[in-house]
Amino acid sequence: DAGVIQSPRHEVTEMGQEVTLRCKPISGHDYLFWYRQTMMRGLELLIYFNNNVPIDDSGMPEDRFSAKMPNASFSTLKIQPSEPRDSAVYFCASSLAGSGGLETQYFGPGTRLLVL
Amino acid sequence: GENVEQHPSTLSVQEGDSAVIKCTYSDSASNYFPWYKQELGKRPQLIIDIRSNVGEKKDQRIAVTLNKTAKHFSLHITETQPEDSAVYFCAREGGGNKLTFGTGTQLKVEL
Repeated sequence: DAGVIQSPRHEVTEMGQEVTLRCKPISGHDYLFWYRQTMMRGLELLIYFNNNVPIDDSGMPEDRFSAKMPNASFSTLKIQPSEPRDSAVYFCASSLAGSGGLETQYFGPGTRLLVL
Repeated sequence: GENVEQHPSTLSVQEGDSAVIKCTYSDSASNYFPWYKQELGKRPQLIIDIRSNVGEKKDQRIAVTLNKTAKHFSLHITETQPEDSAVYFCAREGGGNKLTFGTGTQLKVEL
């Protein structure tokens, strides 16, 4: 298995532009998570899906952020318009729903976003 | 609340010594406590986890202990090696199958 796949790996854009981050979870996993990591705020959960349905988006910072999961093998995180303070590493992670509760989350390689 | 407090924020040890990182939480409903290791520029990777029905779990040089009464759990690394140098994150399940992460500990193993 290739693991969680994210694209692009690096993104440099100008303030005001739309940014779309993509994620392909591990095949068979039914949970998908989007995280943002910065030095100041650490690792923050933005939103997560179960069976393609958004369950909790309370971590999404503001309306400029949106996420979709049109099918079990693809999710996007969109920022429109982007701002310099959105610069961070964005991780996607996936996991199975275990009978004993939460199972291991496997992280993708991340997308390093720089908004100028 | 949901926060996880992690200490220390930085830890420097001599090669061969032990390292201990501690996390505390306040939500008694938490039942799953994983630890992740993140090397510079790379993704967080699970190194060990523990569930609430177990007090201790060991995997070679790494062990995790859980005290549910006191609401704290700790990572123990013995016989540290330079390749153990990384940032370590604790986490807890906060209900709804989502994790809340600690603020991280930068571990440096010096030769």
